[in-house]
Amino acid sequence: DAGITQSPRYKITETGRQVTLMCHQTWSHSYMFWYRQDLGHGLRLIYYSAAADITDKGEVPDGYVVSRSKTENFPLTLESATRSQTSVYFCASSRGRSYNEQFFGPGTRLTVL
Amino acid sequence: KQEVTQIPAALSVPEGENLVLNCSFTDSAIYNLQWFRQDPGKGLTSLLLIQSSQREQTSGRLNASLDKSSGRSTLYIAASQPGDSATYLCAVYSGGGADGLTFGKGTHLIIQP
Repeated sequence: DAGITQSPRYKITETGRQVTLMCHQTWSHSYMFWYRQDLGHGLRLIYYSAAADITDKGEVPDGYVVSRSKTENFPLTLESATRSQTSVYFCASSRGRSYNEQFFGPGTRLTVL
Repeated sequence: KQEVTQIPAALSVPEGENLVLNCSFTDSAIYNLQWFRQDPGKGLTSLLLIQSSQREQTSGRLNASLDKSSGRSTLYIAASQPGDSATYLCAVYSGGGADGLTFGKGTHLIIQP
């Protein structure tokens, strides 16, 4: 039972480059989420998806793009990376919206030089 | 806007002690509250989920309580062990526009052998 996986686990890139972080879950959960974790800010929601082809912005969406063509995958793209996007990114999933537990992936540590 | 606060930010206690971690939130209109554990460099592990209609949940040596009207939750850890050392995060689901969890900044717990 793989659960929820993220790739790559570590990434170093340069300012202005496009970067895609991958998230895959094997539970067929409807909801998927992307959070970033920064010292001093804690975890903040970037984007979420209620189902395939349904996505919406969270608290800090600027500079990020998401897509969800298949239920199990929810990639996060930084179209033109900036130093302020250096962070640890976590993907999560849950069966439903209001009353369901969220399960988190292991995270991707991204450094933008 | 929902805000979540965790006190204390850090705690160091000898092995065997019972301890309480505190979480408060500003808007009592929540659907649920979730406690997580995060080990250094790792993802988040869900410990307990309390629905808004519940007063407490238990799992092994962990007991979480919820007082929604006062905007408070506590995580009680019985007979602490060095393996309990980690950062403990509290998060609430409030629904509304940005459909994800709102996190506190965590309590960094060290259990001394």
